[in-house]
Amino acid sequence: DVKVTQSSRYLVKRTGEKVFLECVQDMDHENMFWYRQDPGLGLRLIYFSYDVKMKEKGDIPEGYSVSREKKERFSLILESASTNQTSMYLCASSQPGQGWVGELFFGEGSRLTVL
Amino acid sequence: TQLLEQSPQFLSIQEGENLTVYCNSSSVFSSLQWYRQEPGEGPVLLVTVVTGGEVKKLKRLTFQFGDARKDSSLHITAAQPGDTGLYLCAARLSGYALNFGKGTSLLVTP
Repeated sequence: DVKVTQSSRYLVKRTGEKVFLECVQDMDHENMFWYRQDPGLGLRLIYFSYDVKMKEKGDIPEGYSVSREKKERFSLILESASTNQTSMYLCASSQPGQGWVGELFFGEGSRLTVL
Repeated sequence: TQLLEQSPQFLSIQEGENLTVYCNSSSVFSSLQWYRQEPGEGPVLLVTVVTGGEVKKLKRLTFQFGDARKDSSLHITAAQPGDTGLYLCAARLSGYALNFGKGTSLLVTP
């Protein structure tokens, strides 16, 4: 069974703290993604990676950074958490096909609250 | 600017009713996907449509891709409480990433 595992389902952090969200996939997928999901705004892409050590900014990268040192692991980093980063964070992976992005496999999400 | 517009935003119906949700764009897509997300879970792919005018059926769910490949619809026949969830359409504009619509939240009550 394919699996994308996010390290924490629920986190509570204080403003200014550094936050790490970890994501691991066991499908040997090339692509990995971080989205955030907010009511009324849908899923918005933060960053994605199409290969080890490669990353591309998505639609809302400000305040975030990412790391992909190994193919199976993609980390999202909030250098200094702020209250407007309170959200549900979803990690996904996919194996690209001919001319299309492929099926996205999502983790269960990490709900982050910043106080 | 939202690339994919979904309607309606919310839908609450009784078990056994039929419904249709829509996904519209001004852009042409090479393919479009529909996902369903249940509470507390990540989205799961339902279907991918790639050909203009294509119709795909998944049990009681019927998906259609518009002839011009700018829009899609999802029709559910005889909805059941297990169909409750957030339905998301997604398409790739360029590059590697998918853009998602805001979703249609469906509640089916017994």
